[in-house]
Amino acid sequence: GIQVEQSPPDLILQEGANSTLRCNFSDSVNNLQWFHQNPWGQLINLFYIPSGTKQNGRLSATTVATERYSLLYISSSQTTDSGVYFCAVGGSTSGTYKYIFGTGTRLKV
Amino acid sequence: GAGVSQSPSNKVTEKGKDVELRCDPISGHTALYWYRQRLGQGLEFLIYFQGNSAPDKSGLPSDRFSAERTGESVSTLTIQRTQQEDSAVYLCASSYGLAEQYFGPGTRLTVL
Repeated sequence: GIQVEQSPPDLILQEGANSTLRCNFSDSVNNLQWFHQNPWGQLINLFYIPSGTKQNGRLSATTVATERYSLLYISSSQTTDSGVYFCAVGGSTSGTYKYIFGTGTRLKV
Repeated sequence: GAGVSQSPSNKVTEKGKDVELRCDPISGHTALYWYRQRLGQGLEFLIYFQGNSAPDKSGLPSDRFSAERTGESVSTLTIQRTQQEDSAVYLCASSYGLAEQYFGPGTRLTVL
């Protein structure tokens, strides 16, 4: 099945610093999302980005589907950015659709 | 509705009891997903409904777990004879087709 790996697993930043989070996946996918899970457990959609580049304020993301990775950039980090960032991918394996989450990057600002 | 809603928000039950969790997706969304998140861990895909197609149940952890969906509306996840290892947050999401998923707030299940 589809494997999703995120790095780094943990990240500590000073306020105002920039960071890059990475998501590698093992198979062709037709769906990729980045989420932020806040300290209260709510999953917040950041980007729906099966390919290409998107930006939203201090956050941006790039997915290179042919090379099976996606990057999430956080600039000028703030304490409210703390939490866990998940990458999730969707694709069909053996005729069934699966949506697989990575293990996340835990960020503390 | 404005977003995905789930009920109850919290459920405490005794080992061996059955529980039923409810998810109301965003109106018009054709796909609905259930996930489980144990404390400090990532999300585990349980089951996925798309339109009138038969759901993919391969992610359900045991035959004590079952889920139903009425058309493109509400879904219920039922856990029979609950065990302590079933304690987790159960999250529901919906999407239009296989596009962007939107998550509900989850149901926190505690099995004593």
